[in-house]
Amino acid sequence: SQQGEEDPQALSIQEGENATMNCSYKTSINNLQWYRQNSGRGLVHLILIRSNEREKHSGRLRVTLDTSKKSSSLLITASRAADTASYFCALSSGSARQLTFGSGTQLTVLP
Amino acid sequence: KAGVTQTPRYLIKTRGQQVTLSCSPISGHRSVSWYQQTPGQGLQFLFEYFSETQRNKGNFPGRFSGRQFSNSRSEMNVSTLELGDSALYLCASTAFERGGTDTQYFGPGTRLTVL
Repeated sequence: SQQGEEDPQALSIQEGENATMNCSYKTSINNLQWYRQNSGRGLVHLILIRSNEREKHSGRLRVTLDTSKKSSSLLITASRAADTASYFCALSSGSARQLTFGSGTQLTVLP
Repeated sequence: KAGVTQTPRYLIKTRGQQVTLSCSPISGHRSVSWYQQTPGQGLQFLFEYFSETQRNKGNFPGRFSGRQFSNSRSEMNVSTLELGDSALYLCASTAFERGGTDTQYFGPGTRLTVL
């Protein structure tokens, strides 16, 4: 299966701390995207990293991709209570524009 | 630009009925994809439309169908509803970026409850 597997499934941290989520997958990809979802609402696109990129930054977000290990990580620095949400990695492979999602990490940031 | 819009936002139906959900993509986007999200199965791809043609289809029964209009708006239809069809249905609009990598932008979803 191409589905990404994320860990941890749940993460609880204090405001100001960093949060790291990991995504592993099994076959080659075109790109990997990270999304955030608040309480069953729509998905908010956070960042896209291409298969030939190793690291990407966007504000407090840092994403790494290791295609040799078939894994990616999302780091949120200086977390805030508003970062509380579910985070999903989504894989794109082949010519299809369908995304295959991981099971998600539920992040809780305590004030 | 306005984001992806989905209507209705909430829907309650009974078993055996059919339902139609609508999605308007971001202006200029020609690809629309649909996903189903349930607590048990997570996010699963339903189908993708581009220029009024279905290009990809996920592993869902034929009760799930869709179409796309010339203005890129898309609808999905579920016939003979079952309790297990209760889910959040998400529509995504795709921007084509250089190098063939695509960012998908999601709408707020339609929450379907089947009683």
